[in-house]
Amino acid sequence: DTGVSQNPRHKITKRGQNVTFRCDPISEHNRLYWYRQTLGQGPEFLTYFQNEAQLEKSRLLSDRFSAERPKGSFSTLEIQRTEQGDSAMYLCASSHEGELYEQYFGPGTRLTVT
Amino acid sequence: AQKITQTQPGMFVQEKEAVTLDCTYDTSDPSYGLFWYKQPSSGEMIFLIYQGSYDQQNATEGRYSLNFQKARKSANLVISASQLGDSAMYFCAMREGGIYGGSQGNLIFGKGTKLSVKP
Repeated sequence: DTGVSQNPRHKITKRGQNVTFRCDPISEHNRLYWYRQTLGQGPEFLTYFQNEAQLEKSRLLSDRFSAERPKGSFSTLEIQRTEQGDSAMYLCASSHEGELYEQYFGPGTRLTVT
Repeated sequence: AQKITQTQPGMFVQEKEAVTLDCTYDTSDPSYGLFWYKQPSSGEMIFLIYQGSYDQQNATEGRYSLNFQKARKSANLVISASQLGDSAMYFCAMREGGIYGGSQGNLIFGKGTKLSVKP
């Protein structure tokens, strides 16, 4: 069990560019979550997958954001036409449906939009 | 609406002493779970401790204990015998909908408390 991994760890992009982040959950975890954390705040929920189905999206997830989880394994989060307000840490977490308690978080991808 | 409040932006504690980090919550769901996570400067969220709304006893995990006062809707984290490595951000979080996470099980976080341990 290698834990949740995220790539890249850091991304600097210019405003208007598209970016894509990847999350590899703990194997056999069927639930996967994306959160966004801005400076001085706690993480905020963006979206949730159970297996390959995206079951919930926060109103924070504007039309410029899209997330996928093909085959119920890794997930990608794409931001189109990035804005400076998108600068944040993007955290991925996974859990098993039968897991009682915790979500396991990855190290995050820090996005800076210049 | 569900909400987590952490009123202490920053706390200092002397090494080897105990410290309490405050957390209050608001929910209308009778079934919920409360969590504490630690976030070092590296950024990864590390799970510390969990308390279910129907648990009769306060949760403990090593040097961490959760002081759960249901009527007051508080879930304070107590760290005993602080260590220099405890310096980090600490987040209180809540999940509604039962121990299996209800509909989706996403966490609602507070703004965090920055703990600094002094040698």
